[in-house]
Amino acid sequence: QKEVEQNSGPLSVPEGAIASLNCTYSDRGSQSFFWYRQYSGKSPELIMFIYSNGDKEDGRFTAQLNKASQYVSLLIRDSQPSDSATYLCAVQGDRAGNMLTFGGGTRLMVKP
Amino acid sequence: GAGVSQTPSNKVTEKGKYVELRCDPISGHTALYWYRQSLGQGPEFLIYFQGTGAADDSGLPNDRFFAVRPEGSVSTLKIQRTERGDSAMYLCASSPGLAGGSQYFGPGTRLTVT
Repeated sequence: QKEVEQNSGPLSVPEGAIASLNCTYSDRGSQSFFWYRQYSGKSPELIMFIYSNGDKEDGRFTAQLNKASQYVSLLIRDSQPSDSATYLCAVQGDRAGNMLTFGGGTRLMVKP
Repeated sequence: GAGVSQTPSNKVTEKGKYVELRCDPISGHTALYWYRQSLGQGPEFLIYFQGTGAADDSGLPNDRFFAVRPEGSVSTLKIQRTERGDSAMYLCASSPGLAGGSQYFGPGTRLTVT
């Protein structure tokens, strides 16, 4: 069983719409949650992190965490074609230096 | 430098050869990580350094893989007797070393074993 699950997509949304990306994880001890964006052929780029239950907003991005349901999501408002990429969810334990466990990523396509 | 750097950006080698991949972390970051990413998958953890020591090497797939960080900054991932299955993107990340600290990735080294 995978520790971090994401729908591989592709998720297709029209320009200007809200894109909703979801992730579930199996380790209840996980404490920190990250969203990375990865363009084709490039390395992952950190876009959001969240530690506490609830919502965290940063510009057009909102991360949502529900530890009871072991669920984390990323909302992208006013989606742009430049948002088209693979979005990776990553989970980390509570010890200093813990490695990240990644999901397989969701491919997002924003159509003009 | 401003970000994590990795060299080479691409490496093509023949099966059975030895390769070294280099990572230079963000200045001041004490934690350094190596990950491997195959096409269509998320990165998978290989090894973590805190300072000069390997704090967690549980992700190394076998004893052909080894990594060092002798002065607590630059790290080298070494792969002996390469196999075609080693072909992947090798990613290095660094973080300040605090619990839950964000990890920032370098551009990666694309390794192809022919």
